[in-house]
Amino acid sequence: DGGITQSPKYLFRKEGQNVTLSCEQNLNHDAMYWYRQDPGQGLRLIYYSQIVNDFQKGDIAEGYSVSREKKESFPLTVTSAQKNPTAFYLCASGQGAGKLFFGSGTQLSVL
Amino acid sequence: SQQGEEDPQALSIQEGENATMNCSYKTSINNLQWYRQNSGRGLVHLILIRSNEREKHSGRLRVTLDTSKKSSSLLITASRAADTASYFCATDVEGGSEKLVFGKGTKLTVNP
Repeated sequence: DGGITQSPKYLFRKEGQNVTLSCEQNLNHDAMYWYRQDPGQGLRLIYYSQIVNDFQKGDIAEGYSVSREKKESFPLTVTSAQKNPTAFYLCASGQGAGKLFFGSGTQLSVL
Repeated sequence: SQQGEEDPQALSIQEGENATMNCSYKTSINNLQWYRQNSGRGLVHLILIRSNEREKHSGRLRVTLDTSKKSSSLLITASRAADTASYFCATDVEGGSEKLVFGKGTKLTVNP
């Protein structure tokens, strides 16, 4: 099945810890995106990548880092510098200025 | 930055009724999209309307776009309990990158 897979579904972070959220797609899309969603809120763009080995900051990149070493993969690291990391994180992929395909999300909580 | 703003924030209707949600945006766009999100899940694409289109249909969905008013509406006809979800509009920026900017969404509840 073609699609976009996020893991894990639930993740807990301890104080001062970096955690990495996985996002893999087999849709052969060039562009991949990370969004953050807080309860009752819309999606805010963290980082996006339009091509391998290149990525751009979105609106709320501080405290996050990404890499795009392979077309299929776009992992997001939530660093200890992100002081309020509790949120629902959504990864998406797309081709051109068309529709996005979303993963099922990762809920990150702080212990 | 929030490009699109949906209205109302929440909407509760009975099964069989129509549901209308509105979206306003600020800058010129290439296209506008509507997405649906069930609680705790990812978003699912519903429909895309280009800036040179005024109306588009897909099943029970009807989307209109008024670029002069920078607004769009999503109409769901003959609603069902399974339509209960949050609905988001998303816009790109004309001449900009391929990133989409999402509004805060309308939470629709369809009561059986």
